[in-house]
This record gives sequence, structure tokens and C-alpha cells, in this order.
Amino acid sequence: GAVVSQHPSRVICKSGTSVKIECRSLDFQATTMFWYRQFPKQSLMLMATSNEGSKATYEQGVEKDKFLINHASLTLSTLTVTSAHPEDSSFYICSARLGYNEQFFGPGTRLTVL
Amino acid sequence: AQTVTQSQPEMSVQEAETVTLSCTYDTSENNYYLFWYKQPPSRQMILVIRQEAYKQQNATENRFSVNFQKAAKSFSLKISDSQLGDTAMYFCAYLLYNFNKFYFGSGTKLNVKP
Repeated sequence: GAVVSQHPSRVICKSGTSVKIECRSLDFQATTMFWYRQFPKQSLMLMATSNEGSKATYEQGVEKDKFLINHASLTLSTLTVTSAHPEDSSFYICSARLGYNEQFFGPGTRLTVL
Repeated sequence: AQTVTQSQPEMSVQEAETVTLSCTYDTSENNYYLFWYKQPPSRQMILVIRQEAYKQQNATENRFSVNFQKAAKSFSLKISDSQLGDTAMYFCAYLLYNFNKFYFGSGTKLNVKP
């Protein structure tokens, strides 16, 4: 099946710094990628939809200036958490759309902000 | 609005037995897809099974099958011959046809006991 990678898998940073998370579709091109956030023992919450070559569409309540998304190529989308704070600590998952009705998920990135 | 409800936060089943996970959804649309995803402790999201709403026949994938009741807006997952490796969180998800956004339920934690 299609493979999506994320890097890094874990990151620890100090409060106030910025962190970039990469999402890559390894064996297919994805015009659309999604970024999710998952709190412990909870479901996935869609943060934004990333379309190649255009601005991301953010869900209600998600600060676009805090969570910067760039989808510069058909195989790469990046999420930058700017001026991170402890409340941004979470598990971030990306997915890449393939076809009409399928998305493949990355393995996730655990962000810890001290 | 589209919502997905999983009313069983946690379930247990003995190895080799059968278990059914419930999912209901709310939509006014006629064309959509339904999914069950598995998230093991590694947190990698894995597609278990998919159902197209226009198909009356219930989808099956080896030990996994669904009971899709479109009028009742119900989409339950049956796992036969449960295995220890089935222990995971299971998420029901809804995708509107031609629309990029997935809606996830809150999840059911399944414990398969030896």
C-alpha cells in the first residue's frame, strides 16, 4: 500500500521556539494532505487541509498564524508550530489523500514543549 | 452537520471469540463512504475496512465485516476469531463523496484477552 512518512517522530523543544514537522508521501503524489492533532485517549481532530500550491484551509478554532502549513510539492507538506507553548504538546498526524476516498496516514509526531 | 458516534469507549473480548463495535452517524447526504480504522499502541492509523454507501452489500475483509444499515445510519464492525494483535483503538470515520474531509468518531478501545 501507499506509504506516508513523518519526520521527526519525536521532538522536545523549549517554550517559545518553533518546530517544523515534515509529511511525505513516499510512493505516490498527493495534491491534498491533512494535518490532525490527537490528545491522549482521544480521537483525531482535523486541524487543516493542505493543498499543493495553494494556501491551507484551517478548521474553525485553529490559529493559522500559529500552525503554519506549507505544501510546496506533490510529495511534501510541512507543519510549523510557531512560538510553541506547553499546551501545544500533542501527537500530530498527517495523512495524504489518494484517489476519491482514501487517505494514508503517517506514523505521527509526538511534540513535547517544555 | 456530519457527526460520528461511537457509544462504547472500551470493550473486551476473549481470544478467538467474536466482538461487535458500534458506530452511528448523522448525515443528510446520500453519497458517502464509511471506514473503520485501527490504531494500535504504535499509534499508526491502519485502514481496516471501507464501505461505499451506494452499495447494499456489506463489506468484508477476512475476519472483519460490517453491518451497514443505511436507513438507520448505523455501521458496526464485527471482528471474528479475535486475536491478540487486534488489541487497539478503533475509529469509525465518515467521508462525504467528493469532499476531502473525514469525520472521526471518538473511538473504542478493544482489549483482546488471552
